[in-house]
Amino acid sequence: AQKITQTQPGMFVQEKEAVTLDCTYDTSDPSYGLFWYKQPSSGEMIFLIYQGSYDQQNATEGRYSLNFQKARKSANLVISASQLGDSAMYFCAMRERSGYSTLTFGKGTMLLVSP
Amino acid sequence: NAGVTQTPKFRVLKTGQSMTLLCAQDMNHEYMYWYRQDPGMGLRLIHYSVGEGTTAKGEVPDGYNVSRLKKQNFLLGLESAAPSQTSVYFCASRPIGTSGTSTDTQYFGPGTRLTVL
Repeated sequence: AQKITQTQPGMFVQEKEAVTLDCTYDTSDPSYGLFWYKQPSSGEMIFLIYQGSYDQQNATEGRYSLNFQKARKSANLVISASQLGDSAMYFCAMRERSGYSTLTFGKGTMLLVSP
Repeated sequence: NAGVTQTPKFRVLKTGQSMTLLCAQDMNHEYMYWYRQDPGMGLRLIHYSVGEGTTAKGEVPDGYNVSRLKKQNFLLGLESAAPSQTSVYFCASRPIGTSGTSTDTQYFGPGTRLTVL
């Protein structure tokens, strides 16, 4: 079974609108971390946001927020007020406590922001 | 402070040739990782190291070897390249002791695009 599932191969959004990118995960480890990375067309991996399994509040970083629903095992990324520069590939990833901090990545969602 | 650097940026090999990819980090991180990225597959872990002189297998280790002789360097070797190893290779590093904190993330290099003909 896949540990990280991103069901949206591609998403379209208009500039200034909000968009939600879905991520569900599967783990039996009570201690884990969830991450979102952005990969623009230039290819580098840019860290966006982190959510720990014991965190009581949803993580936020500027225009990025993580909608963490532990019981449903989902960690959706919400981008508010989309900008043209947000067009990129977005990856959800998970670190389990037992894994020496190795990350398991989803297959990614391509986001296109139109004017 | 250059962060994580990778050498080379691009390389074309013929089937059966060997090569070594170099990853260097100047952040004194304990943990280092090698991933490969294929279209539609996300990143998959090849090998990783939790300290100088240590290495461990990841999800897709076959056909690769690694060495961590110095803390700041992590080398990925292909002894006999195959077309299936055509991919983009990313190196990453992470400091010890940040699990469960907002700084719990890996720092990625810019990637190496490898083509095996």
